[in-house]
Amino acid sequence: QQQVKQSPQSLIVQKGGISIINCAYENTAFDYFPWYQQFPGKGPALLIAIRPDVSEKKEGRFTISFNKSAKQFSLHIMDSQPGDSATYFCAASGDFGNEKLTFGTGTRLTIIP
Amino acid sequence: DADVTQTPRNRITKTGKRIMLECSQTKGHDRMYWYRQDPGLGLRLIYYSFDVKDINKGEISDGYSVSRQAQAKFSLSLESAIPNQTALYFCATSDSAGAGETQYFGPGTRLLVL
Repeated sequence: QQQVKQSPQSLIVQKGGISIINCAYENTAFDYFPWYQQFPGKGPALLIAIRPDVSEKKEGRFTISFNKSAKQFSLHIMDSQPGDSATYFCAASGDFGNEKLTFGTGTRLTIIP
Repeated sequence: DADVTQTPRNRITKTGKRIMLECSQTKGHDRMYWYRQDPGLGLRLIYYSFDVKDINKGEISDGYSVSRQAQAKFSLSLESAIPNQTALYFCATSDSAGAGETQYFGPGTRLLVL
């Protein structure tokens, strides 16, 4: 049972454009929502994370938007650059005894010149 | 992340063989995880360990076993490898109680089962 649904599976954006990746979750006990970035040949690494007490978190060109009532959150990459080309995973976890992360299926982002 | 190392980085094996993937960390974290990554399926948890004496099954543990030899070492074994275990395997560590832990991933082991 997939508890975190991610879309799209792949995304192509022109340099300078806005990249948007969406995730939806089912378990209302989730209270931590990170995004991981993975470059080819590397392991995923934490990019940015949010808790549901805020609706938006921004770090540089990366922003998470969070909609608690819709159980959705998204990653926005402003002024997308070729160096942003990577696979992005959303994830969720909650404090219900064992704090494991549940990952989405990933989005392969390609930024073209 | 150089603080989390995995060996081997690549492995080719045959159906029915037993193989072991190893993970070591110098971050001093108490929690360790094994994931597999498949195209279109994302990262799926195989086993996890919150301390040396704690081992827990993840969502896809069938056909796998683990050993936590020390705080810094967590090994994944495929008892009798089969082709659908061909995947990219990641070890990860974390050091936090409660929600909000950051997981630190190793570089991965690419496994091909023929």
